[in-house]
Amino acid sequence: GQSLEQPSEVTAVEGAIVQINCTYQTSGFYGLSWYQQHDGGAPTFLSYNALDGLEETGRFSSFLSRSDSYGYLLLQELQMKDSASYFCAVLGGGYQKVTFGIGTKLQVIP
Amino acid sequence: NAGVTQTPKFQVLKTGQSMTLQCAQDMNHEYMSWYRQDPGMGLRLIHYSVGAGITDQGEVPNGYNVSRSTTEDFPLRLLSAAPSQTSVYFCASSKRERTGEQNQPQHFGDGTRLSIL
Repeated sequence: GQSLEQPSEVTAVEGAIVQINCTYQTSGFYGLSWYQQHDGGAPTFLSYNALDGLEETGRFSSFLSRSDSYGYLLLQELQMKDSASYFCAVLGGGYQKVTFGIGTKLQVIP
Repeated sequence: NAGVTQTPKFQVLKTGQSMTLQCAQDMNHEYMSWYRQDPGMGLRLIHYSVGAGITDQGEVPNGYNVSRSTTEDFPLRLLSAAPSQTSVYFCASSKRERTGEQNQPQHFGDGTRLSIL
């Protein structure tokens, strides 16, 4: 089976940097994805890491360590619009077998 | 280019009724999948398809059927609605990057909010 752990809530100040961690256990692993979801909205795909290291996309970066079964999402220059839930998801165990974490609710405060 | 379109956006059913949630994508994506999202939980995979004519079960398939007769459409059928199926349902699609490569959902519809009384 697959399971993921991520913090339930994080609060950070506008303009600051925040890191959201995700640890996972899986019987088969192909990659770790990150999604953003605003209240009442649909998930939006942010990033995907299949290999160890850091992937950067604008203000967002995602990191993966396969040996540690660990990844994180780094948000820089936080903006109020970044207030949302962020989900990590493990791709493994078969085609399209994606397992999502319960999500981290990020609140950005002035 | 509409992306992934789900209909209806809201629906209320009585226990025992059946209905079909529609999902269509116009991006010629091979992979399509259905998720449900309950309060305080992540998305859980119901069924998925890797191409027309091919479907498979996800994590929580009981009470749901799917079919994939065309690349564009992937309807989800509730056979006999139960209150436990009250949830928000999301359809997602993605393009297969390479033959045999696993692929994560990249494009989501706006969701269908379903209440079963």
